[in-house]
Amino acid sequence: RKEVEQDPGPFNVPEGATVAFNCTYSNSASQSFFWYRQDCRKEPKLLMSVYSSGNEDGRFTAQLNRASQYISLLIRDSKLSDSATYLCVVNFIGRDDKIIFGKGTRLHILP
Amino acid sequence: DVKVTQSSRYLVKRTGEKVFLECVQDMDHENMFWYRQDPGLGLRLIYFSYDVKMKEKGDIPEGYSVSREKKERFSLILESASTNQTSMYLCASSTGGPSTDTQYFGPGTRLTVL
Repeated sequence: RKEVEQDPGPFNVPEGATVAFNCTYSNSASQSFFWYRQDCRKEPKLLMSVYSSGNEDGRFTAQLNRASQYISLLIRDSKLSDSATYLCVVNFIGRDDKIIFGKGTRLHILP
Repeated sequence: DVKVTQSSRYLVKRTGEKVFLECVQDMDHENMFWYRQDPGLGLRLIYFSYDVKMKEKGDIPEGYSVSREKKERFSLILESASTNQTSMYLCASSTGGPSTDTQYFGPGTRLTVL
């Protein structure tokens, strides 16, 4: 099983719809989790951290399920400007600290 | 705002040339990273550094070396560029523990090796 896995997409979603995607991780010792957003030909930027209790930032909700070892990102009322690639990031803290980026999920919001 | 800058946005080099990619951050971050990003492979860590003059190999260090003589600057060196090193190179920095904090990325350098 790969350390961090994401559905590459693309997810083609009409404007205004709700979309959700998951990211699974293999190491149960993983400590912290993030979603990054990367626009075409741009660098990744932090979208939000993912907390154990789940967290919300406007139209975006992130959740963590430790039992099943996945994190999720939900986008409500999607906008054209949400079109991007969303990268899941998992940090393992142990004898060897490690940061693992998922390969990303491509999202296209359709007018 | 944290700012991470990279010396070039686009670079074209020939096979066998020595290539230097420079990265500078202005937020006094302890940790700096070099990644390459390729279609279908995602971001892969080449080297990272958590202090001046310190360096650690990432997942794909072969064919690369790094230098960190000053806290704000982290250089990636391709001793003898090869065509399979054509890629987008991204530098990042963070504070705190190397694997616990937000990473701030530079705009990237798209390197083509002919």
